[in-house]
Amino acid sequence: AQTVTQSQPEMSVQEAETVTLSCTYDTSESDYYLFWYKQPPSRQMILVIRQEAYKQQNATENRFSVNFQKAAKSFSLKISDSQLGDAAMYFCAYRPTTSGTYKYIFGTGTRLKVLA
Amino acid sequence: GAGVSQSPSNKVTEKGKDVELRCDPISGHTALYWYRQRLGQGLEFLIYFQGNSAPDKSGLPSDRFSAERTGESVSTLTIQRTQQEDSAVYLCASSLARNSYEQYFGPGTRLTVT
Repeated sequence: AQTVTQSQPEMSVQEAETVTLSCTYDTSESDYYLFWYKQPPSRQMILVIRQEAYKQQNATENRFSVNFQKAAKSFSLKISDSQLGDAAMYFCAYRPTTSGTYKYIFGTGTRLKVLA
Repeated sequence: GAGVSQSPSNKVTEKGKDVELRCDPISGHTALYWYRQRLGQGLEFLIYFQGNSAPDKSGLPSDRFSAERTGESVSTLTIQRTQQEDSAVYLCASSLARNSYEQYFGPGTRLTVT
């Protein structure tokens, strides 16, 4: 069965500093997507960044980047120059592309606190 | 354009009552997902609709849960004989097509069963 694990229930970072959120997953699929979603207190889920498993290059979106280690099944999110608005729950998610199912599997989330 | 909308935003109901939750996806989005998010937890897949194909109901936790979708528009999630463990936020998401990886989420419905 496919699973997504986020082992850090909560993380704190000082404003303007860098923080890394961890995510590991388990799958026997060879091709899939990985995502990081942000959920602020408003409950609105926002896509932060995505990674296609067939791409070796790590995805980057402005201050957000990932460290994708396919062999280790690891997908961490790095937030640089942290801002107060980054405070939220962050969810890692997985979706296969070739198994015929389009189910997304989410981790349990990491709550990020940004300290002023 | 308008995003995914859900109604009601909050619902309080008594144990044993039936509830209906509504999701309006983005126009033109053929795929629609329902998730349940219990307090402090991640998203739990419930059901997935794709166009006129049979829905993937594999995540529905019991036969008290059902969902319908009219074509490629509105979807309704129905919970019969609600239990306290059904208390959660129910999130809906839509995407452009089966092969589109990007989901657009609604704001959710917070259901409280007393």
